[in-house]
Amino acid sequence: GQQVMQIPQYQHVQEGEDFTTYCNSSTTLSNIQWYKQRPGGHPVFLIQLVKSGEVKKQKRLTFQFGEAKKNSSLHITATQTTDVGTYFCAPAQYGNKLVFGAGTILRVKS
Amino acid sequence: DTGVSQDPRHKITKRGQNVTFRCDPISEHNRLYWYRQTLGQGPEFLTYFQNEAQLEKSRLLSDRFSAERPKGSFSTLEIQRTEQGDSAMYLCASRSAGGNTEAFFGQGTRLTVV
Repeated sequence: GQQVMQIPQYQHVQEGEDFTTYCNSSTTLSNIQWYKQRPGGHPVFLIQLVKSGEVKKQKRLTFQFGEAKKNSSLHITATQTTDVGTYFCAPAQYGNKLVFGAGTILRVKS
Repeated sequence: DTGVSQDPRHKITKRGQNVTFRCDPISEHNRLYWYRQTLGQGPEFLTYFQNEAQLEKSRLLSDRFSAERPKGSFSTLEIQRTEQGDSAMYLCASRSAGGNTEAFFGQGTRLTVV
């Protein structure tokens, strides 16, 4: 099945610093989704990327899909305490199965 | 509230007992997923339904696990002869038909096997 690696596993940043998590696949992806899970919560959909080289922004969050559609990144500018949580990528397989990466845990020091 | 509800929210059971969890997806969603999540890990795919048909089941899932979606609406996940290693959060998600649409998750059922 589709396997992706997310790095880093964990990052602890000072409030106001930037944060980036990467999702890397060994095979070409049809598209990719990103989810956020707050501590004690459930995953919540953030965005979907479909096109090669696509860049989408949501306020301080910037999502990129690589030109080869094998990797993706989520960048947060000037982190805030509300950004705390685990960020998962979910690469789409052809078909309906939805699998998740291991996630990157973000902690923010205020 | 995502519209996906799971019951119960918490379950403590003795090793060897059977447990059953329920998931009510968003009503118009024909696709339903079950995941297991342990601390510090991502949701691990267990099984998936399209309407009432169970289309895929993880090879990691032992025969003690079974899931149903008899009328294509709610789903149940049963674990027989529970083991301590089954302790985890069990998440249900649903999404609408057609392509790689957004998945909506329930709050999950936290299982503790003692």
